Amino acid sequence: DAGITQSPRHKVTETGTPVTLRCHQTENHRYMYWYRQDPGHGLRLIHYSYGVKDTDKGEVSDGYSVSRSKTEDFLLTLESATSSQTSVYFCAIIVGNEQFFGPGTRLTVL
Amino acid sequence: GENVEQHPSTLSVQEGDSAVIKCTYSDSASNYFPWYKQELGKRPQLIIDIRSNVGEKKDQRIAVTLNKTAKHFSLHITETQPEDSAVYFCAASMNRDDKIIFGKGTRLHILP
Repeated sequence: DAGITQSPRHKVTETGTPVTLRCHQTENHRYMYWYRQDPGHGLRLIHYSYGVKDTDKGEVSDGYSVSRSKTEDFLLTLESATSSQTSVYFCAIIVGNEQFFGPGTRLTVL
Repeated sequence: GENVEQHPSTLSVQEGDSAVIKCTYSDSASNYFPWYKQELGKRPQLIIDIRSNVGEKKDQRIAVTLNKTAKHFSLHITETQPEDSAVYFCAASMNRDDKIIFGKGTRLHILP
């Protein structure tokens, strides 16, 4: 699917634990994005990256950090997970003329 | 920053009828407006987009209109079919590579 994968696809964790989600692309594209999707809120941008080591905050960045040490990987970290971070997380890249989304990661924080 | 409002949140139409979803945006600098369709349990997928130098764009049964002066844009689906049932998101951005801000979505139900 357009060379974008996310791992893990599902994760259940406990409040206060650190969690890292990985987005991997084979398209060699410069821009990568992390969104979260919640009922009634649509898709909200968390962080994005416009190159290796170049990242910026989105709409809902509090409680999240990101890293991009190489072009193909964009990592999203929850330093200390909270129940409000239970969500579906989508990574996205640009493929052709569209922002193409990965398959998503369903994260549950108990 | 940009804010995108989308209405209605839920829409039910009879199969064969037309559906219209409306969005407004706040940042006059936005000039790229994509629409995404998301089926249950799947990723959002681009169905059509429009840029600010165009007032209308059509692709088979789907059309999008843009009014830059009023800062609103709409999705029109004609001759609706059961497979049109999904959640639709509008969005706005300054360009394709820039951060995209999404509306909250419209759940479209096609009634038999």
